[in-house]
Amino acid sequence: GESVGLHLPTLSVQEGDNSIINCAYSNSASDYFIWYKQESGKGPQFIIDIRSNMDKRQGQRVTVLLNKTVKHLSLQIAATQPGDSAVYFCAERPLDNQGGKLIFGQGTELSVKP
Amino acid sequence: KAGVTQTPRYLIKTRGQQVTLSCSPISGHRSVSWYQQTPGQGLQFLFEYFSETQRNKGNFPGRFSGRQFSNSRSEMNVSTLELGDSALYLCASSFGENTEAFFGQGTRLTVV
Repeated sequence: GESVGLHLPTLSVQEGDNSIINCAYSNSASDYFIWYKQESGKGPQFIIDIRSNMDKRQGQRVTVLLNKTVKHLSLQIAATQPGDSAVYFCAERPLDNQGGKLIFGQGTELSVKP
Repeated sequence: KAGVTQTPRYLIKTRGQQVTLSCSPISGHRSVSWYQQTPGQGLQFLFEYFSETQRNKGNFPGRFSGRQFSNSRSEMNVSTLELGDSALYLCASSFGENTEAFFGQGTRLTVV
């Protein structure tokens, strides 16, 4: 059948504001999660990861929060800059999958207004 | 340290042809995974190789195949190309399980 493009959720923020991007993951057996940023024409770029034995992890200007009870992951970007404009994907690695397979969410498009 | 390198960056092929894409992982990384990215389906896992063995496989037809060499470089092959195979094919490498997976720039395949 005809392919229909995914309608990505979008988030528009003002430069300097904080951004929160949310993700619901699918597999309660997943034990490792990664956030990626993808700019137009480029491959996904690793931002930050978190293991299931943690609730929170901080990086440079980014924080990832994991709520295993409701299978929810969020990425917080502090002081958002125009260079942060991109599509953001969460990815999970199911424990019951041997090896490195990642399952990706649909992505959220972040637009930063100067 | 060089990143993940994928070649070629762009390809145009005709329906029915076959194509081979190449991926050189980050030095020291033994796991190489392949993904297909399309506007309709997003990022979908194709397969993963570790130490020259396919360790995991996604839900793609047998026309999609891959291999890994002793130096960890990997190739994927798509035979009997269909229009729907047009996509960005991404390769990711990692040192091991539950470690960061780093992606290459991808190969943009267009089937006409």
